Amino acid sequence: DAKTTQPNSMESNEEEPVHLPCNHSTISGTDYIHWYRQLPSQGPEYVIHGLTSNVNNRMASLAIAEDRKSSTLILHRATLRDAAVYYCILTSSNTGKLIFGQGTTLQVKP
Amino acid sequence: EAGVTQFPSHSVIEKGQTVTLRCDPISGHDNLYWYRRVMGKEIKFLLHFVKESKQDESGMPNNRFLAERTGGTYSTLKVQPAELEDSGVYFCASSQVSGWTDTQYFGPGTRLTVL
Repeated sequence: DAKTTQPNSMESNEEEPVHLPCNHSTISGTDYIHWYRQLPSQGPEYVIHGLTSNVNNRMASLAIAEDRKSSTLILHRATLRDAAVYYCILTSSNTGKLIFGQGTTLQVKP
Repeated sequence: EAGVTQFPSHSVIEKGQTVTLRCDPISGHDNLYWYRRVMGKEIKFLLHFVKESKQDESGMPNNRFLAERTGGTYSTLKVQPAELEDSGVYFCASSQVSGWTDTQYFGPGTRLTVL
């Protein structure tokens, strides 16, 4: 299973953009890049996913490097509610299961 | 649309007892997954149902764990007998289609404490 590397923690100020990096140097051509987050005392929540092109949705943007060996989750204006653990996960064509790493704990300061 | 629900939200049992966790997926979702997080560790996959069939049970830790999904609707995860190391949070997730591109919707989890 392809692995991802994320910083353990990051801090942001409220109302400012946040860029959460993820390295996945062993990604294969058909692996999708998914981001989930887990708010305190809740189950994980889907954020966004992509294959090659950058993606935008109402929650965030996903910027994928041209060689696909890294990606960045962008929260355009962090709010206190965005404080969570963010997981970057690769999914392979032979399985639907999610393989969680330790993720990045995002703190948002008022 | 109702989300994934799990019951109970908390369970405290003694070592050697039996506990059954229940998960109700989003209506119409054929795929159902169980995951768990034990203390201080990462969230780990346990198994995957497609309708009532076990598609992948490679993450089940041992034969004390039994998962069922009769009729392809709700699922139960039974731990018998429970051991101390089974303590943790058990999450259920469901998705509409099977595959690596689909979004999984998670329930709030069941916190299991084995004393």
